[in-house]
Amino acid sequence: GAVVSQHPSWVICKSGTSVKIECRSLDFQATTMFWYRQFPKQSLMLMATSNEGSKATYEQGVEKDKFLINHASLTLSTLTVTSAHPEDSSFYICSAPGEFETEAFFGQGTRLTVV
Amino acid sequence: ILNVEQSPQSLHVQEGDSTNFTCSFPSSNFYALHWYRWETAKSPEALFVMTLNGDEKKKGRISATLNTKEGYSYLYIKGSQPEDSATYLCAFISAGKSTFGDGTTLTVKP
Repeated sequence: GAVVSQHPSWVICKSGTSVKIECRSLDFQATTMFWYRQFPKQSLMLMATSNEGSKATYEQGVEKDKFLINHASLTLSTLTVTSAHPEDSSFYICSAPGEFETEAFFGQGTRLTVV
Repeated sequence: ILNVEQSPQSLHVQEGDSTNFTCSFPSSNFYALHWYRWETAKSPEALFVMTLNGDEKKKGRISATLNTKEGYSYLYIKGSQPEDSATYLCAFISAGKSTFGDGTTLTVKP
């Protein structure tokens, strides 16, 4: 199947700094990518839909100024957590749909810890 | 807002027991249903992609069925082993977007 590479796999940052997470489709083009977050004791929740060449679509309750998404090319989407706080510590994971949109290919995920 | 529900929330079984979980999802605008084996803070491991009503898929001791008309899917594990302990997620796929259930956490005791 298709490969989605997410980087970094883990990061520790200080409160108030910004962190960028990259999601790349390695052997296919992805005009759309999705970003998810795991909340404590919960499953994966969709944060936003990243659209190549246009603005991202955010789910209800997700702060667009806090979680900046850029999808500048057909193979790369980035999520920047701005002015990170300890409550932003979480597991973030991206996915890209397959050709027929019945498949979803996930990155490896990023464990963010804000201290 | 799509509602994908899984039951039970958790399950404890003895090694060798067979078990099954349920995933219920909206029956309209169906594209696909995915089953994943998931360990917290890791990428989900794809088990099955179910697309057609009546689909039955099998992978070793694990199998799954799909009923799109009534909006449910079952995941079965035959002869559970301790290494099967994990959280099993289902995800409703619509236009490539995944809506996850909360998962069923399975613990298999030796």
